[in-house]
Amino acid sequence: GEEVAQTPKHLVRGEGQKAKLYCAPIKGHSYVFWYQQVLKNEFKFLISFQNENVFDETGMPKERFSAKCLPNSPCSLEIQATKLEDSAVYFCASSPTRWEQYFGPGTRLTVT
Amino acid sequence: ELKVEQNPLFLSMQEGKNYTIYCNYSTTSDRLYWYRQDPGKSLESLFVLLSNGAVKQEGRLMASLDTKARLSTLHITAAVHDLSATYFCAVIYNQGGKLIFGQGTELSVKP
Repeated sequence: GEEVAQTPKHLVRGEGQKAKLYCAPIKGHSYVFWYQQVLKNEFKFLISFQNENVFDETGMPKERFSAKCLPNSPCSLEIQATKLEDSAVYFCASSPTRWEQYFGPGTRLTVT
Repeated sequence: ELKVEQNPLFLSMQEGKNYTIYCNYSTTSDRLYWYRQDPGKSLESLFVLLSNGAVKQEGRLMASLDTKARLSTLHITAAVHDLSATYFCAVIYNQGGKLIFGQGTELSVKP
């Protein structure tokens, strides 16, 4: 496809529950990036993939966050045991080269 | 650690006026991007600036880059209401493609 697709659009979880977000990159793009936008304006890099391999995971909270990009499947970002502070919009971006990133519409996660 | 700072963070403008948003970054980077975000929406790419002295223009927006000063500007000419949005600059960190964002500038253009 020509656009990055993210599902679901909205996700509500009680504190302690698991949350799983999905991202389908643009066909032919080999890089996928995940960003977290909190407090409306603050963007934080989480992790990037080159195909199914982790490229950079320096932004990932180690304890509860995990991510995968498997062949022929959407990429996923999973948060175990969500906390209130995980409430944010999670954006996925894909890129053919790393240098130009195309952002998806985002998934809004609300932890109650 | 690369840091990116924008100012102002909030900007209320009258239609027809000109203004400039500033973006400073702390260490050398290959590329600087400007994005627009409307409320509840994703990021729309406006400009990518690659080299010292680069200038790009689209409609009422013009972006420039001074790599020696580590400064980019986004100039708004004769603002119109449709430009109301939040504008972010972002810089590539190292060669990995990771974007470091500024805090965003919330622009409100009033008639």
